[in-house]
Amino acid sequence: EVQLVQSGAEVKKPGESLKISCKGSGYSFTSYWIGWVRQMPGKGLEWMGIIYPGDSDTRYSPSFQGQVTISADKSISTAYLQWSSLKASDTAMYYCARGNTAIRYWGQGTLVTVSS
Amino acid sequence: DIQMTQSPSSLSASVGDRVTITCQASQDISNYLNWYQQKPGKAPKLLIYDASNLETGVPSRFSGSGSGTDFTFTISSLQPEDIATYYCQQYDNLPAYTFGQGTKLEIK
Repeated sequence: EVQLVQSGAEVKKPGESLKISCKGSGYSFTSYWIGWVRQMPGKGLEWMGIIYPGDSDTRYSPSFQGQVTISADKSISTAYLQWSSLKASDTAMYYCARGNTAIRYWGQGTLVTVSS
Repeated sequence: DIQMTQSPSSLSASVGDRVTITCQASQDISNYLNWYQQKPGKAPKLLIYDASNLETGVPSRFSGSGSGTDFTFTISSLQPEDIATYYCQQYDNLPAYTFGQGTKLEIK
């Protein structure tokens, strides 16, 4: 069974750094792209970027380029989304998702709250 | 970026009604369009891929059509469990995939 299991909810202060994770199982982790999607409170879905764990090819949606870093450790089948300096506007639910065409598998989401 | 204009933003319909949602792309995306259903507190669920293909296990009352810039998603007979928000998504332009703004569907 394909599963994407994300790390737990985080509460951070503005300016702090953060790295959240998404662990894949039940399939060949290096053979499928993993993307990240943001959903701000009460708002729609926004595609942030995508990584191919097989060779770490990483692409960012223009709106998120330079704002976050996407990475992966194929030895532990885990993808990451990280911030170096959080802002209150980063408060959102973040989903990882497998694939670069039809997204059939999604993580359960990680809620990130940034508040002073 | 390719912009996806989805309408309506909200919709109220009765059980058994035919429901239609449209999505318009700002440029030709061929059939590179998916439709998702999202229920509160849950991750999105794929319903339709490549504009018109029904995902395995999804009820046949859901359907999609269109190509190029204009796409339609239809629920042929609305059921209470269909209450959710629906999104279109284009995947023609990696990595700048974009979603429509969403359509919140409610029971009248």
